[in-house]
Amino acid sequence: DAGVIQSPRHEVTEMGQEVTLRCKPISGHNSLFWYRQTMMRGLELLIYFNNNVPIDDSGMPEDRFSAKMPNASFSTLKIQPSEPRDSAVYFCASSFRQAPNEKLFFGSGTQLSVL
Amino acid sequence: GDSVTQMEGPVTLSEEACLTINCTYTATGYPSLFWYVQYPGEGLQLLLKATKADDKGSNKGFEATYRKETTSFHLEKGSVQVSDSAVYFCALRGPVDQGGKLIFGQGTELSVKP
Repeated sequence: DAGVIQSPRHEVTEMGQEVTLRCKPISGHNSLFWYRQTMMRGLELLIYFNNNVPIDDSGMPEDRFSAKMPNASFSTLKIQPSEPRDSAVYFCASSFRQAPNEKLFFGSGTQLSVL
Repeated sequence: GDSVTQMEGPVTLSEEACLTINCTYTATGYPSLFWYVQYPGEGLQLLLKATKADDKGSNKGFEATYRKETTSFHLEKGSVQVSDSAVYFCALRGPVDQGGKLIFGQGTELSVKP
């Protein structure tokens, strides 16, 4: 299996532009998570899905952020409009089940720089 | 809410030294506990886990024991190598009826010098 695939690996954009990050979870996994990593705040859970349904989006920082999972093999995280403070590494992760003892598999992340 | 607290880094050790990274947690119910490792430029990988009290997780010479009485899950290794240099994250995952989300500590950077 190719693992969790994220694209792009790097994104540089200007303030005010729309940014879309993409994630393909491991086939057969039914839980998907979006995390943001910064030096100041570490790893923050933004949102997660179970069976394509958003379960908890309390970590989404504000209305500029939105996430979708139209099917079991694809998810997007969109920021519109982007701001410099959104610069971070965004990770997608998936797990086989929502069960507490199931480990998460992480993608390689998208390094976002908003100028 | 649930939370995880790790000792602050960076931790710098010489090769073959002993390692302990402290981790304590606050949770309602009985979470599963994990250590993840992040090598430079990569995503996180599971290092080890424990799903109930007194369980010991182990992998690649690393160990951690789920201590319910002290709400701790300290990571230990008897002899570190340069290749162990990475950032280590302690995490907990609660039961499904409490959301089942994975919550991470702030991470501890380990640097091992030859």
